[in-house]
Amino acid sequence: EDQVTQSPEALRLQEGESSSLNCSYTVSGLRGLFWYRQDPGKGPKFLFTLYSAGEEKEKERLKATLTKKESFLHITAPKPEDSATYLCALSGGYNKLIFGAGTRLAVHP
Amino acid sequence: GAVVSQHPSRVICKSGTSVKIECRSLDFQATTMFWYRQFPKQSLMLMATSNEGSKATYEQGVEKDKFLINHASLTLSTLTVTSAHPEDSSFYICSASYTSGGDNEQFFGPGTRLTVL
Repeated sequence: EDQVTQSPEALRLQEGESSSLNCSYTVSGLRGLFWYRQDPGKGPKFLFTLYSAGEEKEKERLKATLTKKESFLHITAPKPEDSATYLCALSGGYNKLIFGAGTRLAVHP
Repeated sequence: GAVVSQHPSRVICKSGTSVKIECRSLDFQATTMFWYRQFPKQSLMLMATSNEGSKATYEQGVEKDKFLINHASLTLSTLTVTSAHPEDSSFYICSASYTSGGDNEQFFGPGTRLTVL
């Protein structure tokens, strides 16, 4: 069964304190791993898609990496505006997404 | 580009009434739309997948007679929660993608907060 597990559940950082969020997955055939950002009371906002082990993508202070068993979202020198819930999702069959429970990130000044 | 809207953003209704939520793709034609629900501090759970012009495919455990989905056009899908009860209170989010069956990005709407009294 395809499965996604995110850790930690919650993370508190000081502004400028870099860290990483983890997404472990099991899948019969990887068709894409997605990272989304979700602000309270809003729908998820697309960040990255990764398709194969070794792939990396960057956007501003965020960098996503992928191995055969997990993906990391690295946050470099975070700012308070980076506070949000970060969701990892697997692409299953028929374009369905299987979401992890998310990591709630709080960045304090 | 690729904007998805939902209406209403927030609705409060009495137990036993029905509520309709609209999901629209504003600048693209969405052959496939997805409906999710999200409880507080939990992740998104897929409820159903709908393709334009055909019946929706519901996930296991989702009552098709309670959550009616209509995808009548390439830009509009509706979710009707029939005979709503307090346990149906949740955050409902739709998403849309360009093609069906392929591994394309899903674009999410802003969500609808349903509260059943």
